[in-house]
Amino acid sequence: GQNIDQPTEMTATEGAIVQINCTYQTSGFNGLFWYQQHAGEAPTFLSYNVLDGLEEKGRFSSFLSRSKGYSYLLLKELQMKDSASYLCAVSDSNYQLIWGAGTKLIIKP
Amino acid sequence: ETGVTQTPRHLVMGMTNKKSLKCEQHLGHNAMYWYKQSAKKPLELMFVYNFKEQTENNSVPSRFSPECPNSSHLFLHLHTLQPEDSALYLCASSQEVGASETQYFGPGTRLLVL
Repeated sequence: GQNIDQPTEMTATEGAIVQINCTYQTSGFNGLFWYQQHAGEAPTFLSYNVLDGLEEKGRFSSFLSRSKGYSYLLLKELQMKDSASYLCAVSDSNYQLIWGAGTKLIIKP
Repeated sequence: ETGVTQTPRHLVMGMTNKKSLKCEQHLGHNAMYWYKQSAKKPLELMFVYNFKEQTENNSVPSRFSPECPNSSHLFLHLHTLQPEDSALYLCASSQEVGASETQYFGPGTRLLVL
């Protein structure tokens, strides 16, 4: 079967760094997405990785290791507005997105 | 601003009612999707339309019926739903169905079935 695992909840302090991990087992792999979803709002696109390595985009970076079926989202200089759920999704062999249940990130002052 | 709108934002219906959810995208995309999001569960893909043709139906019960009259509009017709169908229903669009295609989501319809 297809499976995406990520922690249910994480807590971090404003100004700090947090890493949200995602492991996957899917039928085929055509890239991995990270989305952010604030409570009561639509998921919004953060990053896409299809090759191994680190992609940096401002305060957010995303890493992929295809051989390990592993990705992480790194958030630096955390701000209160970063409190949200972070969703990991893999594009499978049919280009369907298989989603994790999301990681709720709580930022404390 | 995602360019994808959904109406209504909230809906309460009885199990014998018939209602429809509407989605409209203003991004010039050719693919549209319906997802179900339940608390603490992964998004579940329900239906996919690519260039107005339905390409995926992920074993969704027949009480959910999609309609895609053109590339900008997508409907989800609901009838004789069950309480377990209560969830957030999200619509999304992308340029087309493909590996690197980013999906843009609407704000969702929060559905409660009594």
